[in-house]
Amino acid sequence: QSALTQPASVSGSPGQSITISCTGTSSNIGNYNLVSWYQQHPGKAPKLMIYEGTKRPSGVSNRFSGSKSGNTASLTISGLQAEDEADYYCCSYGTSGSLLFGGGTKLTVL
Amino acid sequence: QVHLVQSGAEIKTPGASVKVSCKASGYTFSNYHVDWVRQAPGQGLEWMGIINPTGGATTYAQRFQGRVTLTRDTSTSTVYMELSTLRSDDTAVYYCARRPYGDYLDFWGQGTLVTISS
Repeated sequence: QSALTQPASVSGSPGQSITISCTGTSSNIGNYNLVSWYQQHPGKAPKLMIYEGTKRPSGVSNRFSGSKSGNTASLTISGLQAEDEADYYCCSYGTSGSLLFGGGTKLTVL
Repeated sequence: QVHLVQSGAEIKTPGASVKVSCKASGYTFSNYHVDWVRQAPGQGLEWMGIINPTGGATTYAQRFQGRVTLTRDTSTSTVYMELSTLRSDDTAVYYCARRPYGDYLDFWGQGTLVTISS
């Protein structure tokens, strides 16, 4: 059982928007603005998509955005494209240098 | 450009140990911590630990305490992850990743598959 809770799957049609939630506690997500999101295609290493809650690394499409409310962080993907189909993981700073991952969400583009 | 290149796949028997390397290039090695994350087949990501290349200080996830050891060689910009007393459920892909200030993982190695089988 993961420390952060994500839906197992979400789906959307091309052009639509979807949101993936990530629920933690006041000890992790609620206490720090240190949530990151990773995209993972099958057989590949994870790729950083969002860091420090809302920031996008250079090269990541502005269709990806992050937010947080209380103990829940969210990743929104707008204008869905076929290439967005992948697994998505949230991650939060825990305590004493540790990181906590969500269980992952499989995004299907219909 | 930043690269983290890991050693190749390993097959080990239960009870043995494995040591995976992660060679960094394209940045100042001492300026970034390095984490290890593993992923069992069909499962999610699991954080294992972190090492500070300056001084070698480490922090491990509680479930790996006593079984995992992270070390570094500053002369070759390489970080090592050793996992001992291997069990079948340690079969996984092991990743190293760079951690900037801000506690996220911005560059990842390609992963190393470790298979535990008798």
